[in-house]
Formats: sequence, C-alpha cells, structure tokens
Amino acid sequence: KNQVEQSPQSLIILEGKNCTLQCNYTVSPFSNLRWYKQDTGRGPVSLTIMTFSENTKSNGRYTATLDADTKQSSLHITASQLSDSASYICVVSAGLRGGGATNKLIFGTGTLLAVQP
Amino acid sequence: EAQVTQNPRYLITVTGKKLTVTCSQNMNHEYMSWYRQDPGLGLRQIYYSMNVEVTDKGDVPEGYKVSRKEKRNFPLILESPSPNQTSLYFCASSLLGQPQHFGDGTRLSIL
Repeated sequence: KNQVEQSPQSLIILEGKNCTLQCNYTVSPFSNLRWYKQDTGRGPVSLTIMTFSENTKSNGRYTATLDADTKQSSLHITASQLSDSASYICVVSAGLRGGGATNKLIFGTGTLLAVQP
Repeated sequence: EAQVTQNPRYLITVTGKKLTVTCSQNMNHEYMSWYRQDPGLGLRQIYYSMNVEVTDKGDVPEGYKVSRKEKRNFPLILESPSPNQTSLYFCASSLLGQPQHFGDGTRLSIL
C-alpha cells in the first residue's frame, strides 16, 4: 500500500533555531517528492520538488533532502522565523518517472510547526 | 496575479440542499483537482481533470460531481449534501507534472 508518514506530528521551537522534519514513504513506482507549506486558513504552497536523481534542493532557508534508497526525505529549516509557523506536508508522486499528471499523489498528514519568540 | 480562486470561502447549509463550489484559475493549467482536508487525515483527492471534458475519480468521489467545460473552471457539485461532507475543500491546478497551485479553501458545514 502506498503510504507517506511524517514525523513528528507537531513541533515547537524557539525563533532563530534550526529544525528538521521527516518524511518516510512506501510508494512504488516513485516519481518525485514534494514539500508544501500550509499556513493556517490558507492553501498549501509548494516549497520544493525532487526527482529520483536529486538528493538535495534548497529554497531560501528551506533545504530538502531525499534518500531514494531508504525512501526517506527531510526538510531542514534554518534560522527559523515566526512566519515559519505552519503545517508542512510531504507529498509523493507515484507513477511515471517523467512525473506526468497521470501520476497518483500520496499526501502525508503533515507536521505542525510552531515557532515561538 | 497567478491564482486559483474558490467561492464561496465559507458556507453553512442543510442536508439535501444542492450546492456548487466554484474554482477558477488564470494560469492556463491543464490539470485541476479537488481535495478535502479533515483533521488527522491529510488531503484526500475527490476528483481531477487533465483537460477540458476529461475528468476522473480520486480517492473519495462518492457524493460529489464535477465538470470541466472550460479550461479555467472546475466546479465541485454536491447534489445532496450530508453531514459527513462537512470539511475544508481545496481546488488546485498545475501544468502536467508540475507542483500544484492551491486555492485558499472553502469551509463547508452541512447541518
């Protein structure tokens, strides 16, 4: 069964600190992995997308890593800010390596991050 | 500004009263999709469309209908809403194989 599991479910950190969120998946065949940020009351916004051949991708203070052998991904947030408080969702695309829209998207349930002053 | 627009943002209604949630995108995206988000369950796909007049069921299509008569619009129809359809709904669009752009959501309460 295709599944995406995220940990921790929730996390509280102090402003300025770093943190790492985890995503483990059992999805086959694997096409790509995406991280989204969802602010309260808003739709998810794409942070990164990584294909099988990519093992790291950055977007500002966000760095995602992918280990396709162990089927694990992490999202590292550097020097956290209050605006980083949100839910972070890992999404794995199952299907064609080209990532066509016929691929099935499997969503994790998210990690709720709270950054405190 | 590139965006996905959903209406209404909030709706409280009663069981059995037909409703439509509209979704419109201005990015000329082929792919559009509807999701519902419930606590502890994450986003679940209801229906998707790969282009005009092409729609297909997602994971939880029961009780919903969609149509794709124009590229920019993808309305979600609840013919006879029931309380178990109370949820937060998101519409999304993308170019084929690219990350999706999501709307800001529609919170439906069905009494």
